Amino acid sequence: AQSVAQPEDQVNVAEGNPLTVKCTYSVSGNPYLFWYVQYPNRGLQFLLKYITGDNLVKGSYGFEAEFNKSQTSFHLKKPSALVSDSALYFCAVRDGTGANSKLTFGKGITLSVRP
Amino acid sequence: NAGVTQTPKFRILKIGQSMTLQCTQDMNHNYMYWYRQDPGMGLKLIYYSVGAGITDKGEVPNGYNVSRSTTEDFPLRLELAAPSQTSVYFCASSYRVLSGANVLTFGAGSRLTVL
Repeated sequence: AQSVAQPEDQVNVAEGNPLTVKCTYSVSGNPYLFWYVQYPNRGLQFLLKYITGDNLVKGSYGFEAEFNKSQTSFHLKKPSALVSDSALYFCAVRDGTGANSKLTFGKGITLSVRP
Repeated sequence: NAGVTQTPKFRILKIGQSMTLQCTQDMNHNYMYWYRQDPGMGLKLIYYSVGAGITDKGEVPNGYNVSRSTTEDFPLRLELAAPSQTSVYFCASSYRVLSGANVLTFGAGSRLTVL
């Protein structure tokens, strides 16, 4: 069975500092990896995805993520955090080789950026 | 273009009552999904549909029913509400992508409390 681990409950950073939100995954086939963000009282919004190709994926709002196959990780990064980045971040995985595989979400990590 | 619209936004139910959460999308997406979000648990898939007239169970279908009579609408029915169904419910939709790398568009959520 596929799974996603987001080991931290909360990440705290100061505005202007780099941020990293961690994600590791487990799938039997090729991983399709996604990051979604949820602002308070809103639905989830897509940030970026990795399907194949370049291990560094760039997404919305200046976010990027690095796929590391040997460490089975897909950490979300941003060079300079903004207060407006404060939100709940979800990593998700699908087995790309499974025709009927579903998307599995991690439990989410709260990012808090202080001024 | 409204995207995915969910109603109601909030609802309080008594144990044993029934209700329907409505979901409509105007993007002509083939796939539609219902998730529930519980604190610290991420999102769990309840039911999904790959097209009008076709529905299937997700991870946590017990206590729920769905129908998909049109491409646009995917209502979720709770027949006998239980406290364990207290949660935030999200409807989502996506295009069908052969690779499986489809990106979900989420509604704003429906917060349900069962007392």
